[in-house]
Amino acid sequence: DAGVIQSPRHEVTEMGQEVTLRCKPISGHNSLFWYRQTMMRGLELLIYFNNNVPIDDSGMPEDRFSAKMPNASFSTLKIQPSEPRDSAVYFCASSFRPFLGQTQSNQPQHFGDGTRLSIL
Amino acid sequence: GQQLNQSPQSMFIQEGEDVSMNCTSSSIFNTWLWYKQDPGEGPVLLIALYKAGELTSNGRLTAQFGITRKDSFLNISASIPSDVGIYFCAGRGTGRRALTFGSGTRLQVQP
Repeated sequence: DAGVIQSPRHEVTEMGQEVTLRCKPISGHNSLFWYRQTMMRGLELLIYFNNNVPIDDSGMPEDRFSAKMPNASFSTLKIQPSEPRDSAVYFCASSFRPFLGQTQSNQPQHFGDGTRLSIL
Repeated sequence: GQQLNQSPQSMFIQEGEDVSMNCTSSSIFNTWLWYKQDPGEGPVLLIALYKAGELTSNGRLTAQFGITRKDSFLNISASIPSDVGIYFCAGRGTGRRALTFGSGTRLQVQP
């Protein structure tokens, strides 16, 4: 089975440029999460969606960051304009959260391999 | 906000030794997860725990959900070189959907 697919795997760009990270969650999963990982701060949740709707974006650093989920199989995280301090590995993860009334339990998150972003 | 303390930060052991790491939280969690991350890859789920007192094994790995619901441990028995990596605990509190992650335990195994 295909896992969470992220692209690109690596991105190097100059500060001020727009950066778009992409994620395809596991088919059938209805929750999607964007994380950022750095040596200093570890894994931080940026935003998550449930059924394509943003639920909590309190982890988004500032207005330069935006995320969209136009459909159940695709999400983007955009940084505009990018700054050197945005350099990090960005992970996307997905999981299945049962609807009200369903008997299945919450499932753990499955992570993609990440996008290593370097802003010069 | 919720905080997780994971210890130890790093361990350097000999092949064949047993390993233990743990996480404690400042508040009650209703889910504990343990992940392993290899260099250049995303975290991979090892064990998921959903009930206080639950003890679950996955091969040489054993994890427990603490009775107080504020802690969890992960044991690795008879370590091998491929156990090298960073191990993260993660928890989810009552009424929350997002996970809180520990800072990780870096494990090195000397053949």
